Amino acid sequence: NAGVMQNPRHLVRRRGQEARLRCSPVKGHSHVYWYRQLPEEGLKFMVYLQKENIIDESGMPKERFSAEFPKEGPSILRIQQVVRGDSAAYFCASSSQRGNSPLHFGNGTRLTVT
Amino acid sequence: GIQVEQSPPDLILQEGANSTLRCNFSDSVNNLQWFHQNPWGQLINLFYIPSGTKQNGRLSATTVATERYSLLYISSSQTTDSGVYFCAVPRDQTGANNLFFGTGTRLTVIP
Repeated sequence: NAGVMQNPRHLVRRRGQEARLRCSPVKGHSHVYWYRQLPEEGLKFMVYLQKENIIDESGMPKERFSAEFPKEGPSILRIQQVVRGDSAAYFCASSSQRGNSPLHFGNGTRLTVT
Repeated sequence: GIQVEQSPPDLILQEGANSTLRCNFSDSVNNLQWFHQNPWGQLINLFYIPSGTKQNGRLSATTVATERYSLLYISSSQTTDSGVYFCAVPRDQTGANNLFFGTGTRLTVIP
């Protein structure tokens, strides 16, 4: 069984460009979460999605960031007009149900903004 | 919001030694998880342990929800145990996995 798959593994963008990060959850999982880890820091929750719905986006920056989890296909985290402060590791995770189930992480996408 | 504190922040062990990592949280929770982030950045779920004790090989965890703490025990440590250990609890009472992570304990196991 494949785990959470994220791509690309590394992404380099210049300031002002767009970054698109993709995540395919564990097969059968419909709950997807995005987290961000700044250098030498812990993980910060960004957004929680369940097929076609955003359940909790309280951790998302108000501008430039958006996320979706369409009925078909992977979840996408989109960052428009990237700035150097967006450089971080972005982790996607999934679980089998909303509550009371363990969270499984992908290997992350390391975004570098030059 | 809920506060999650981990101790110690850093720990250096000789291979074969045992250790206990602690996670304190400021409010009642119905979900607590321990994760290991290895030196390559991969995050592995070690335990889902809202209460009680669980064991998995050389690792075990105990959560005392009424006293708002959890402990992670590592016995006979190996160099592959190196990395950062995080505990995490939910941001709300639904038990969903929109988690607050602690600041972590960085473990270095020396051969």
